[in-house]
Amino acid sequence: NAGVMQNPRHLVRRRGQEARLRCSPMKGHSHVYWYRQLPEEGLKFMVYLQKENIIDESGMPKERFSAEFPKEGPSILRIQQVVRGDSAAYFCASSAGVEHTEAFFGQGTRLTVV
Amino acid sequence: DAKTTQPTSMDCAEGRAANLPCNHSTISGNEYVYWYRQIHSQGPQYIIHGLKNNETNEMASLIITEDRKSSTLILPHATLRDTAVYYCIASPSYDKVIFGPGTSLSVIP
Repeated sequence: NAGVMQNPRHLVRRRGQEARLRCSPMKGHSHVYWYRQLPEEGLKFMVYLQKENIIDESGMPKERFSAEFPKEGPSILRIQQVVRGDSAAYFCASSAGVEHTEAFFGQGTRLTVV
Repeated sequence: DAKTTQPTSMDCAEGRAANLPCNHSTISGNEYVYWYRQIHSQGPQYIIHGLKNNETNEMASLIITEDRKSSTLILPHATLRDTAVYYCIASPSYDKVIFGPGTSLSVIP
């Protein structure tokens, strides 16, 4: 899973600021998934994207959160007007999208809202 | 995705085989069994997956019962570094995979 790169690894934001989390998938992978893990809790699916398309965003909070995966460049998870409850680890995974293939995860971005 | 059921926690002595069970009695014919693990807040790590035949790789073996209603992940010689939460997932593909609570495996010296 070393191929999925997330940055920054740690991010500190004050309440009300914006957080931008980046995910570069493994080479050759065109499918990206974002998960959130609150402290001492499990992994929660947020959104599934392909290049320039959001396939499934059923796990995304309705407000303040958005995600994109442009034709060029990394996938971005954007959180506007962050609140303390947004403090969590955010993990990105990528896959080739071919049926039955596995996905590989990055090491995550730990967001702390102060 | 079919629902999976795993024990909440397990212990295993270092050097012994760790056998992690998973029940997936409602699994569909096109659903694979995937195993991932998460070592203390690191990114989840893919271990293995299979459909109906037993599978083995450098990390583990996956034994799936003939009726496919359950499976067992086997770590042949557990080390302290195998202490982690192990997730069993039944899905036709890696597509919006939902993680359950998993099994917290503690390898004991």
